[in-house]
This record gives sequence, C-alpha cells and structure tokens, in this order.
Amino acid sequence: EVQLVESGGGLVQPGGSLRLSCAASGFTFSNYWMSWVRQVPGKGLEWVANIKEDGSEKYYVDSVKGRFTISRENAQNSLYLQMNGLRGEDTAVYYCARVESGDYGYWGQGTLVTVSS
Amino acid sequence: AIRMTQSPSSLSASTGDRVTITCRASQSIASYLAWYQQKPGKAPKLLMYAASTLQSGVPSRFSGSGSGTDFTLTINCLQSEDFATYFCQQYYSYPRTFGQGTKVDIK
Repeated sequence: EVQLVESGGGLVQPGGSLRLSCAASGFTFSNYWMSWVRQVPGKGLEWVANIKEDGSEKYYVDSVKGRFTISRENAQNSLYLQMNGLRGEDTAVYYCARVESGDYGYWGQGTLVTVSS
Repeated sequence: AIRMTQSPSSLSASTGDRVTITCRASQSIASYLAWYQQKPGKAPKLLMYAASTLQSGVPSRFSGSGSGTDFTLTINCLQSEDFATYFCQQYYSYPRTFGQGTKVDIK
C-alpha cells in the first residue's frame, strides 16, 4: 500500500524557516517524480514544487522561487521541502504527492504550516 | 501561467441527479487534465487523468471529456458520498495549476 506521511509543520514567525519531510512507503520511491502541493484551509489547491526521480530537475511556482528548496533522499525514501523567508501567505496545509503522468495519484494527509507573529 | 477556470463554483443537487462541472483552460492543454475530489479535512483524491481516463477504483458513474481548452466532469446518478469539492488540474506545462474548485452540496 502506497503511503505518504508528512511531518515538520508548525507555527513559525514571519521570516523564519521550516523543513517539511515526507516519508514514502509501499512503492519504489526512486522511480517517481514527487511534488509538494499546498492549500490554504477552506481554499483552493496550489502546486508548489516538483522534483525528478534522481533530483536532477526541480520546478517551482514563482511565489516560492529563491525561498523554498525541494529535495529528496532516495536511500531513505524521503522527500523534503526547505522553506526559508516564510511569509503569512505561505500559511497552508502542505501535501506531498506522487506524480503519475503529471497528475497526482497519491497524497499524504498534509501538514499545517502557520506563519504568524 | 495557464489559468484554469471551473464553473460553477458551487451547485446543489439531489441524490440520483446528474451533475456536470466544466473546466476551461486559458490556452490549449491537449488532454493533460486531471480531476480530483476532496472532502473536508482530507487530501484530494484522483478521479480522472488524461481528461477522460478513470483512475483505478473510481466508480464508473464518473466520466470526463474534452480536449484543448474545454473539459467536463460528469457524475451520473449522484450518490451521498459524492458530495464534495472537485478540482481540475493541468499538467501540460509549468507551473502546474488548479481550478478554483466546485463544491457539490445537498439540495
């Protein structure tokens, strides 16, 4: 059974940093692109970043470029999102998701990031 | 960025109804479109990909159509478990973008 479990969310002050993790199991992690998608509670979905199977390609939404870094450790079946320079508008539930052919077939349960003083 | 516009933003329907949700892309995305269902407090669930291919395990009352810029998700014979919010998503180009969502609630 495919499982994705996010962790690392919490309350952080504006300008602060946070590192999210996603532990993957039930599939060959190194064979899949992975993604982070976020959602302000009660609002729509926003794609944040994608990373290729071997980490050699990364893509970001403009609003996080230069502040967020997606990475992975295939030996540990783990996906990460390093978030620096956090802003109030980054407050959201962050989901990790497995990329199928561009769509997202599997999602984690999400981790809430709250940016507030 | 490609803008995805869903309509309606919300609708009320009864069990047994046929429901149609549309998604329009601001430029052609061929058939690189997915549909998701999301219930409160839960992660989105993939229903359809490549515009019209049903994800494994999804009931056949769900169907998708369209290509280019105009797409449709149809739910035949709405069931109680189908009351949820539905999102479309394009994966033709970066940045990946989602529609704003369509909430289907009970009439």
